Amino acid sequence: DGGITQSPKYLFRKEGQNVTLSCEQNLNHDAMYWYRQDPGQGLRLIYYSQIVNDFQKGDIAEGYSVSREKKESFPLTVTSAQKNPTAFYLCASSASGAGGYEQYFGPGTRLTVT
Amino acid sequence: GESVGLHLPTLSVQEGDNSIINCAYSNSASDYFIWYKQESGKGPQFIIDIRSNMDKRQGQRVTVLLNKTVKHLSLQIAATQPGDSAVYFCAENMPGGYNKLIFGAGTRLAVHP
Repeated sequence: DGGITQSPKYLFRKEGQNVTLSCEQNLNHDAMYWYRQDPGQGLRLIYYSQIVNDFQKGDIAEGYSVSREKKESFPLTVTSAQKNPTAFYLCASSASGAGGYEQYFGPGTRLTVT
Repeated sequence: GESVGLHLPTLSVQEGDNSIINCAYSNSASDYFIWYKQESGKGPQFIIDIRSNMDKRQGQRVTVLLNKTVKHLSLQIAATQPGDSAVYFCAENMPGGYNKLIFGAGTRLAVHP
């Protein structure tokens, strides 16, 4: 059963703590992405990775970090430097390359920082 | 469930009617467009896509129309059902090396029985 999974579904943290969100895919996709979604807005790209051991900043990378040590996994760390971390976080994967491909999304993690 | 968008434009339709959701995209060089459906508290789900060398593409109960002259994309849903109630996003692919999608703000579709 192929797909993309994110865990946990809900996450609560105190301000000042780093937190890592998990994203795993078994679709054999080279490219993976992290998005942030706030109410009333579309998805904004945080980081993306086109291949293992390589990743680039997206439009709102400040206060976030990622790693891509395995093709299947692309964890996102929300650091204490992120000024407004409470949001819905979505991970996606796709085939890589130019030209446009469907991105497959996970179920999301809702992070609440108080 | 969690609310995806509290202040999104809303399209209200009666069950069985046809729905048309519109989207203006930003870059005339965009070469790939995609529609997603997002239910409350869930990740976006692919509906249909279209490349810039096409004007129209049909799926099951859905049709996407692309007007490159005015940079406009529309999603038509035939015989709308209560299960179609969700937020719908269009996205465009920005050419230039990797599969970057730029998402619109979304439209909420509310289907009434």
